Amino acid sequence: GEDVEQSLFLSVREGDSSVINCTYTDSSSTYLYWYKQEPGAGLQLLTYIFSNMDMKQDQRLTVLLNKKDKHLSLRIADTQTGDSAIYFCAEIYSGYSTLTFGKGTMLLVSP
Amino acid sequence: DTAVSQTPKYLVTQMGNDKSIKCEQNLGHDTMYWYKQDSKKFLKIMFSYNNKELIINETVPNRFSPKSPDKAHLNLHINSLELGDSAVYFCASSQDGVSGYEQYFGPGTRLTVT
Repeated sequence: GEDVEQSLFLSVREGDSSVINCTYTDSSSTYLYWYKQEPGAGLQLLTYIFSNMDMKQDQRLTVLLNKKDKHLSLRIADTQTGDSAIYFCAEIYSGYSTLTFGKGTMLLVSP
Repeated sequence: DTAVSQTPKYLVTQMGNDKSIKCEQNLGHDTMYWYKQDSKKFLKIMFSYNNKELIINETVPNRFSPKSPDKAHLNLHINSLELGDSAVYFCASSQDGVSGYEQYFGPGTRLTVT
C-alpha cells in the first residue's frame, strides 16, 4: 500500500528559507501536492507537481521532486511568521482519485 | 463566495446519538470527498462520490453513511456515535475525479463525542 512520510516539526527564523521534506513509497504516483493548514482552519492547496516534472517554482515556493529516491521537498524562501502552519505532503497514484496524506510538518517561524 | 462550505463548524454530542454534517460546493465540480482528521492531525479519506455515485469507500464503519442528493452536495450521516468518532471531518471537491487534480477543502467540522 501507499505510504507518505514527513518529519513532524521544523523551526526557523523569519527571513530564513524553510525546507520541508517528504518521502513516498508508491512509484505510480501521478500528482504530488503540498497543502497548508493554519490553526483551526481547513486545508489550502499551496502547489502541486506532476510526476514527470523535477521542479516547480511558484513565487516564494519551490518544489523539488526526486523520483528515483521518491523524495519531495517544499522550499519556502524568505519565510514569514504568517507561514507558521502545518504543511501536508500528499499524493495521488494512477487509477485512484483520493489523496494520501503524510502526517504533516509543523513549521514554526520565530521573529 | 465560499467554494466548499460545511455545517456545522462545531458539533458536540453524546455517545449513541445520530448526527449529520452537510457539505456544499459551488465550484461545479463532479467529485466530492469526505476526509477524517484525528487528534494527531492525521488525514485519511473516507468516501468519494462522482456525480452522486459512490466510487470509493475506505474501511469506514457502516455507521457512517454518505448521501449525495445532487452533485453539489455530499452529506455525512453518522449513527450511534462513539468516542472514537471525535475528529475533524473535512469535505472536499475536485473537477477531475480520476487524477484528483486540485482538491478544494471545506473549513472542517469539529465533532466531539462525550
